[in-house]
Amino acid sequence: DSGVTQTPKHLITATGQRVTLRCSPRSGDLSVYWYQQSLDQGLQFLIQYYNGEERAKGNILERFSAQQFPDLHSELNLSSLELGDSALYFCASSVSHQFGGGADTQYFGPGTRLTVL
Amino acid sequence: DQQVKQNSPSLSVQEGRISILNCDYTNSMFDYFLWYKKYPAEGPTFLISISSIKDKNEDGRFTVFLNKSAKHLSLHIVPSQPGDSAVYFCAASNSNSGYALNFGKGTSLLVTP
Repeated sequence: DSGVTQTPKHLITATGQRVTLRCSPRSGDLSVYWYQQSLDQGLQFLIQYYNGEERAKGNILERFSAQQFPDLHSELNLSSLELGDSALYFCASSVSHQFGGGADTQYFGPGTRLTVL
Repeated sequence: DQQVKQNSPSLSVQEGRISILNCDYTNSMFDYFLWYKKYPAEGPTFLISISSIKDKNEDGRFTVFLNKSAKHLSLHIVPSQPGDSAVYFCAASNSNSGYALNFGKGTSLLVTP
């Protein structure tokens, strides 16, 4: 058990809908990362939040957004869903040093499997 | 653009022998490298890491080697056990740009009795 929790475990929805995925980081971790794992693309970084602020952005679509709340949990919002958005979505957390401050290991949650029909 | 590559999709090793998983990267700005193990329907589990200032890091049966000039790292598992059967992902990050992980596509390791 990594200490990172994600809900829900499974989500089935229709095209055009909007869903929210939730992540609670490990106790003491300030950074939350979101990744998408699809069959053809592997694990792709989407976005990072550090202590409530967006820190880095990866290949995240404009239809997707995220936020990190004062209690450090994070939500990933996916809207206008398409069939191609079906994937596993992982959240990871880390202590996160200052930039260039050293190693930073990320610990992953169990993931949310999203199926868009 | 795949900056981290694992060129062997699968590897089969006998129990008790050494497993060697390889990984190549193209971005010279990467300064931290990690290996994760993943079972189906679970999140990646952290195994071992290495900073770019080192060339070897060991943790029990797991050793990671880094060759910066060749932009290559490898994970050695000795001795291999059937419970090691899983998909292994190599990942790399740049501490100056937020630590986002760039993953390889994974190598599926099967350890046979």
